[in-house]
Amino acid sequence: DAGVIQSPRHEVTEMGQEVTLRCKPISGHNSLFWYRQTMMRGLELLIYFNNNVPIDDSGMPEDRFSAKMPNASFSTLKIQPSEPRDSAVYFCASRGTDLAQYFGPGTRLTVL
Amino acid sequence: QKEVEQNSGPLSVPEGAIASLNCTYSDRGSQSFFWYRQYSGKSPELIMFIYSNGDKEDGRFTAQLNKASQYVSLLIRDSQPSDSATYLCAGYGGSQGNLIFGKGTKLSVKP
Repeated sequence: DAGVIQSPRHEVTEMGQEVTLRCKPISGHNSLFWYRQTMMRGLELLIYFNNNVPIDDSGMPEDRFSAKMPNASFSTLKIQPSEPRDSAVYFCASRGTDLAQYFGPGTRLTVL
Repeated sequence: QKEVEQNSGPLSVPEGAIASLNCTYSDRGSQSFFWYRQYSGKSPELIMFIYSNGDKEDGRFTAQLNKASQYVSLLIRDSQPSDSATYLCAGYGGSQGNLIFGKGTKLSVKP
């Protein structure tokens, strides 16, 4: 079975540009999570969805960040405008009935 | 603030030894716990989960849960250099739908 798919795997952009990260969860999973990981702060939950509905976005750092899940097989995390402090690895994870979260390979974002 | 605490390490053990990784949590309502392994530059990979008090064994790995002491541990028997990674402990809060992750313990297994 295919795992969680994320694209792009690497993104290098300049400050002020819009960045869109994409995620396809495991088929049949009804919860999706976006995380950010840095050396300083570890793994931080940004937002999660149940059945395509955002449940908790308290981890979204500021209004520059937005996330959508238009259907059960696709989600996006958008940063507009991007800043150097947004540089991190962004993970998407999905969860099924066993309560475990399964992570995608991540997107390494560098904002210059 | 619900928290999961781990010693950041690094924990260094010789090849063939038992590695013991520990985790404490603040939310008495937490019911289920997960251990993830993360190699450098890779994503977290689920290796074990435990829901009940006591021990759960899977190959060289044993997870232990003590809800009274709010303590979770992971034992790795016959440690191998390939076990060198950061191990993340995570638990669900009582009514929360999301996992609370610890900051991870870095394990180094020396040949």
